[in-house]
Amino acid sequence: SQQGEEDPQALSIQEGENATMNCSYKTSINNLQWYRQNSGRGLVHLILIRSNEREKHSGRLRVTLDTSKKSSSLLITASRAADTASYFCATDQRRGTASKLTFGTGTRLQVTL
Amino acid sequence: AAGVIQSPRHLIKEKRETATLKCYPIPRHDTVYWYQQGPGQDPQFLISFYEKMQSDKGSIPDRFSAQQFSDYHSELNMSSLELGDSALYFCASSLGGLGDNQPQHFGDGTRLSIL
Repeated sequence: SQQGEEDPQALSIQEGENATMNCSYKTSINNLQWYRQNSGRGLVHLILIRSNEREKHSGRLRVTLDTSKKSSSLLITASRAADTASYFCATDQRRGTASKLTFGTGTRLQVTL
Repeated sequence: AAGVIQSPRHLIKEKRETATLKCYPIPRHDTVYWYQQGPGQDPQFLISFYEKMQSDKGSIPDRFSAQQFSDYHSELNMSSLELGDSALYFCASSLGGLGDNQPQHFGDGTRLSIL
């Protein structure tokens, strides 16, 4: 079953605009991670936010986490054409000695010139 | 910096054949994960290994098996292949021994096509 649901499923913006993607999940988590995937390629880790953190920044990325609402958002500021990709949130529910990521359904971001 | 290496990048098989996918984690990473991503789908967790022992199991069919070797590389063995096994198979690695909150680093995947 899906742990994470993301919205919107697809987002089209112009270069320079901000892009916001939302993620909701169902169970308790250790942390939540955001990944980026270019078509047919591997997933690239963007940012990790721990369950006791509320906001985190990395370059043009800003992530928020609301554990009471079981939701997170990813904001990409001043978007560029190179940001065009699919973005996935993934919740980490560590069991035993290894973490276990459950991915959301993803948001396809298209940034046009 | 060295990344996760997967081989082969592409693999074409026929129904009922077998396939072996290989994964070489980032040096010094002790934990390996396997994921399956169908067309237009999100990645689904299959199985993980920590220090050569199976750590967790997800939606991995009984026809599939995997192991982690003494040099920490891992292999995913798939038998009696079905059309529905066509997908991208990703391997990821991390430092499990450091505790929680370690990101997983993904390889570029193996694209398996079943004819």
